[in-house]
Amino acid sequence: GEDVEQSLFLSVREGDSSVINCTYTDSSSTYLYWYKQEPGAGLQLLTYIFSNMDMKQDQRLTVLLNKKDKHLSLRIADTQTGDSAIYFCGTSGGYQKVTFGTGTKLQVIP
Amino acid sequence: GAVVSQHPSRVICKSGTSVKIECRSLDFQATTMFWYRQFPKQSLMLMATSNEGSKATYEQGVEKDKFLINHASLTLSTLTVTSAHPEDSSFYICSAGVDSGNTIYFGEGSWLTVV
Repeated sequence: GEDVEQSLFLSVREGDSSVINCTYTDSSSTYLYWYKQEPGAGLQLLTYIFSNMDMKQDQRLTVLLNKKDKHLSLRIADTQTGDSAIYFCGTSGGYQKVTFGTGTKLQVIP
Repeated sequence: GAVVSQHPSRVICKSGTSVKIECRSLDFQATTMFWYRQFPKQSLMLMATSNEGSKATYEQGVEKDKFLINHASLTLSTLTVTSAHPEDSSFYICSAGVDSGNTIYFGEGSWLTVV
């Protein structure tokens, strides 16, 4: 079945850029998502990208997609302490059912 | 924007009892909703697909008689954990998307503790 992998932990200093990586196996993935989960909270949709796009930018967030390598990344510019959370990437074949990665815990050091 | 709401956000129940979790789409209709489960420090695993007006579709390994799903209207799906056991303690979260759209919204999630 579909497999989505992420590194488990990332630590950055406040003000630096963070890059969270994700790899997936299902080549039929049409939509690729990034969600944020703060402690004790639900999932917040940050952004998503269609599989026919290479890049999408939304304020401090930049998503890069390498469809050939099935690699997705989320770059957070000027990382703030409020960005500390777990970030999940997810893939969907267009039927709204999402397969999630293991989640990357981002720690921002003041 | 579209919002999905879950209730309750936290619930504690005794072993052997049943507990119901509601998932509502607040300003859009959703013929399909999804239920996920998240174990501590793990990812979210799809449990079942809730279909309005028909039976839910369960993922492999999920007991349909234990996790009852009802999607009686276009804005409400419920998950009932029957005869709950401590190992059912988990974070349950639902999602829904606008039928013609690509954006998937998640509820706030429900923390279930079975004692």
